[in-house]
Amino acid sequence: GAGVSQSPRYKVAKRGQDVALRCDPISGHVSLFWYQQALGQGPEFLTYFQNEAQLDKSGLPSDRFFAERPEGSVSTLKIQRTQQEDSAVYLCASSLEPQQPQHFGDGTRLSIL
Amino acid sequence: AQRVTQPEKLLSVFKGAPVELKCNYSYSGSPELFWYVQYSRQRLQLLLRHISRESIKGFTADLNKGETSFHLKKPFAQEEDSAMYYCALSEDSGGYQKVTFGIGTKLQVIP
Repeated sequence: GAGVSQSPRYKVAKRGQDVALRCDPISGHVSLFWYQQALGQGPEFLTYFQNEAQLDKSGLPSDRFFAERPEGSVSTLKIQRTQQEDSAVYLCASSLEPQQPQHFGDGTRLSIL
Repeated sequence: AQRVTQPEKLLSVFKGAPVELKCNYSYSGSPELFWYVQYSRQRLQLLLRHISRESIKGFTADLNKGETSFHLKKPFAQEEDSAMYYCALSEDSGGYQKVTFGIGTKLQVIP
């Protein structure tokens, strides 16, 4: 496909479980971003990758959040010991080059029970 | 810290009426401003950016540095304009664009 692909689209987990969210950026895109969008809010920056290097993780809310992009393409956002406040839509975006506009995926809607 | 304010969560206008979605920002440097749109059941997509100075789907936005505003305008609203609109500001964070979004305004165009 031509766009950013995220999976799963929906994820329900019990509090305390670990979850992993996947992002397939547009092929060849160097930059990859993760955002968290709580209900009624705009997306908030979590972390940024340039190829395989995680250059900015200043937005990760706690050390329970971990992201990786080992081969510079697919990225995974992992949340350990989930809490109810982690419930949100997690958006992934990619751009061809760091200064170019970002293209967003559909997001993963995470619900923690 | 940079901040983007969209004062209206919901804006309802009649078809054919003018539209203005307000956006104010605070940023100490030279900002780059964007408007993103999310139609029902679609992904977030870029509508326009201030440096392009172009009109997309009849929408325009002018950066007013004196008033620190970047309002989105359209002279005649269409039903298909109904969507969520997010104003966003990006800063150069060492070679990449770190984006801050507003909370969004839902535009409802009444037939």
